[in-house]
Amino acid sequence: DIVMTQSPSSLAVSAGDKVTMSCKSSQSLFSSEYQGNYLSWFQQKPGQSPKLLISLASTRETGVPDRFIGSGSGTDFTLTINSVQAEDLAVYYCEQYYSYPTFGAGTKLELK
Amino acid sequence: EVQLVESGGGLVQPGRSLKLSCAASGFTFSNYYMAWVRQAPTKGLEWVASITNSGGSTYYRDSVKGRFTISRDNAKSTLYLQMDSLRSEDTATYYCTREAPRYWGQGVMVTVSS
Repeated sequence: DIVMTQSPSSLAVSAGDKVTMSCKSSQSLFSSEYQGNYLSWFQQKPGQSPKLLISLASTRETGVPDRFIGSGSGTDFTLTINSVQAEDLAVYYCEQYYSYPTFGAGTKLELK
Repeated sequence: EVQLVESGGGLVQPGRSLKLSCAASGFTFSNYYMAWVRQAPTKGLEWVASITNSGGSTYYRDSVKGRFTISRDNAKSTLYLQMDSLRSEDTATYYCTREAPRYWGQGVMVTVSS
């Protein structure tokens, strides 16, 4: 199984902060056949199902604010939130779908 | 808009069975792989099973192999998860998802307890 490691496990932020969280995979998620990294980011708020934010490591879903930016390739990936808003407080998960899907343990964004 | 609506959850005793259903709409169901993903209370996300768009191939995590069966009815745009020999560690919210990338239903709670 591909192991996904997210860090930090939690992050205390203030509105307007720039936030960066990491997701590392135990093997490369890059497909040379399809020329893309099979990595998604999800946002889960309390009592809700996860919501897809970014797929293929950097493709933002329609309707997702442009302050959410996915980057990285191979085994190292980053989700950046520019100027975090109160509504962004949630747990963020990464997922690899290069092989049988596996998820990171999540990064919880909390208010400072 | 992709819509996935699960049903069939509830409280069940260890060793008993339960069948989940997921009604899909807003996309051409027969074109997509589908999957079930679960989340134990206060825990992270765990892939359970996937099925190809035709239903011809299925894939399971080791802990549910031989106990769970994923299936689909493309004519009804419905995904199923038959869960047999349930254990306490199967207690979780079960999400119906469309794969690659993953879109999620609202989830249904399954509690395995005597």
